Amino acid sequence: NAGVTQTPKFRILKIGQSMTLQCTQDMNHNYMYWYRQDPGMGLKLIYYSVGAGITDKGEVPNGYNVSRSTTEDFPLRLELAAPSQTSVYFCASSSPGLAGYEQFFGPGTRLTVL
Amino acid sequence: SQKIEQNSEALNIQEGKTATLTCNYTNYSPAYLQWYRQDPGRGPVFLLLIRENEKEKRKERLKVTFDTTLKQSLFHITASQPADSATYLCALLNQAGTALIFGKGTTLSVSS
Repeated sequence: NAGVTQTPKFRILKIGQSMTLQCTQDMNHNYMYWYRQDPGMGLKLIYYSVGAGITDKGEVPNGYNVSRSTTEDFPLRLELAAPSQTSVYFCASSSPGLAGYEQFFGPGTRLTVL
Repeated sequence: SQKIEQNSEALNIQEGKTATLTCNYTNYSPAYLQWYRQDPGRGPVFLLLIRENEKEKRKERLKVTFDTTLKQSLFHITASQPADSATYLCALLNQAGTALIFGKGTTLSVSS
């Protein structure tokens, strides 16, 4: 069981570039989430998904897009990178059908936009 | 909107003492409240979940209380060790029941 895996671990983007942050979980969890964490701040929810084909916006969705074509994968797309998107991004998943249950986090992707 | 606050950004204690971290929330009563540990450069790791009808939960040296009247949760680490040094995050289920809202965290430093 690998749990939640994220790639890449680090990335530097130029302003205006695009990229996709990958997230995969092997626990058959229905719920998946993307957060960003800025220094000294808590985790801010970007998007979440309650199952394949279903996604919804979180607290800070602007500048991001997601898709959920399978239970395992939940990629996060940045279309036009901006310096404000410099952050650490965490993907997480939680037990089938239970949003309030413990979340399993990936190791994070550290993104810098210059 | 739901708000969650962890009162202290940093807490420094000596080894062997009990660390007490506070989490306050406003505007509604969540069905669940959770605590996570986060080490530098790593993702958060789940520690404990407490439901609104539970007053207290224990796991080894950890204890969590949930006071729905005060809208507060306390997280205790007894007989603290330097290995307990980390950032501890409080999280509660949002009103829609779809996602967690996280506090900013309290960074605990345990000195030997």
